[in-house]
Amino acid sequence: DTGVSQNPRHKITKRGQNVTFRCDPISEHNRLYWYRQTLGQGPEFLTYFQNEAQLEKSRLLSDRFSAERPKGSFSTLEIQRTEQGDSAMYLCASSFRPGRDIPDTQYFGPGTRLTVL
Amino acid sequence: TQLLEQSPQFLSIQEGENLTVYCNSSSVFSSLQWYRQEPGEGPVLLVTVVTGGEVKKLKRLTFQFGDARKDSSLHITAAQPGDTGLYLCALEETDSWGKLQFGAGTQVVVTP
Repeated sequence: DTGVSQNPRHKITKRGQNVTFRCDPISEHNRLYWYRQTLGQGPEFLTYFQNEAQLEKSRLLSDRFSAERPKGSFSTLEIQRTEQGDSAMYLCASSFRPGRDIPDTQYFGPGTRLTVL
Repeated sequence: TQLLEQSPQFLSIQEGENLTVYCNSSSVFSSLQWYRQEPGEGPVLLVTVVTGGEVKKLKRLTFQFGDARKDSSLHITAAQPGDTGLYLCALEETDSWGKLQFGAGTQVVVTP
């Protein structure tokens, strides 16, 4: 399967612990996105990368959150000192966009469900 | 920031019935995407509409983009249990290079 993969699929942690999620995009996709989705809501944008460069971060991404995409391939999202409010589904998506005038087609992974106790 | 509103929030119907869900924006948008999301999975793109008044069909699903490009609808004919899911609309924010803004979604349940 060559779709977007995310690991782990589920993570349960205690408040105050650090967690790290991984996203492997579709190969050759130059853009990678992280979204967060809570129950009953649509996904909310967190950040995105074009190749290895992080181009935009949402104000939802507090200083406890950090994302990297070394070498422009896989990406990691780390949450430090987790809080109960961080409990959500964290979704990764990737796309290849040759030009601004073409609508972006983002392919989503299955997500990582985080539960902070 | 554009606001996307979806209605209804929840829809429960019997197999074979038709249904329509709506997506409305506070301002004009250049394109809009419809996704379906099943429990425990990420959203899957169904269609992208770009032109005002555009109608696209995907088997039993019909997508319409309003003439004023501020609203869209998804109509499902003869719904089947496999159509059950969360239907999300999303637009690309202006000058964002791909940042999607999603509506809250319509949860559709089709019972046999």
